[in-house]
Amino acid sequence: DQQVKQNSPSLSVQEGRISILNCDYTNSMFDYFLWYKKYPAEGPTFLISISSIKDKNEDGRFTVFLNKSAKHLSLHIVPSQPGDSAVYFCASHTEYGNKLVFGAGTILRVKS
Amino acid sequence: GAGVSQSPRYKVAKRGQDVALRCDPISGHVSLFWYQQALGQGPEFLTYFQNEAQLDKSGLPSDRFFAERPEGSVSTLKIQRTQQEDSAVYLCASRQIGASGRETQYFGPGTRLLVL
Repeated sequence: DQQVKQNSPSLSVQEGRISILNCDYTNSMFDYFLWYKKYPAEGPTFLISISSIKDKNEDGRFTVFLNKSAKHLSLHIVPSQPGDSAVYFCASHTEYGNKLVFGAGTILRVKS
Repeated sequence: GAGVSQSPRYKVAKRGQDVALRCDPISGHVSLFWYQQALGQGPEFLTYFQNEAQLDKSGLPSDRFFAERPEGSVSTLKIQRTQQEDSAVYLCASRQIGASGRETQYFGPGTRLLVL
C-alpha cells in the first residue's frame, strides 16, 4: 500500500527550462510534505517543505505547490541547472506522526 | 556544524553474520530515525528514538533487527544472522525537537550493506 506515489521514474529537461516533479498521496491525514534531493552515494538532502495549511511555498528557484483536494503536490525548479540532476523524493507525515513516508523517487536529468 | 555521520559507509557480510551500523546524529538533536532503502525505492521507516527511548519500532522487519541509543546520542542498528534480503542502504536521520511537528529530518550518508 503505497501512500506516497511518484509516478514518473525519470524526467529529462534542458538547462534553463522548468522542471516539474509530481507526487500523489492517499492518506488524508498527511499534514506536512517535504522534498529531498539525493546524489549518488550520499544521503537525502532536505530541499523544501510545505504544511497542509498552505498551497504554495517558494525558496529561490524552488517552489512547491500543494493541492489538498486532489492529494497532489509538485515541485517546480526554475531555471533548471545541470547541478540539479539528482533523484528527488517526495515525503510526508501526519500531524502527530514522526516517521516520514517516502515516494519511490524521480530521477531528474538536466541537460546542458 | 557537523551533519549526521554514519559508519561504516560500506559493509559486506556473509549470510548468517551479525552486523552493527553506527549513527552519530547532529549534536543536540533529540530525535533519531533509522530508514532502510532498497535499490530503486524510497527510504522506508524502521524505528524512532526520542532521546534514549525507542518510541516506535513498527518498521523493523523482523526480530533479527535491533536498535539502541543508550545515552540519547549515538545509535546502533544491529542485524543478526543477516540474510540476502537485508542488502540495502541504511539511513539515519536526526531532528532537533522531540515532539512530532513540522520539523525537518536531516539524513546521514547511509551505510550500504551487501549480504553475500
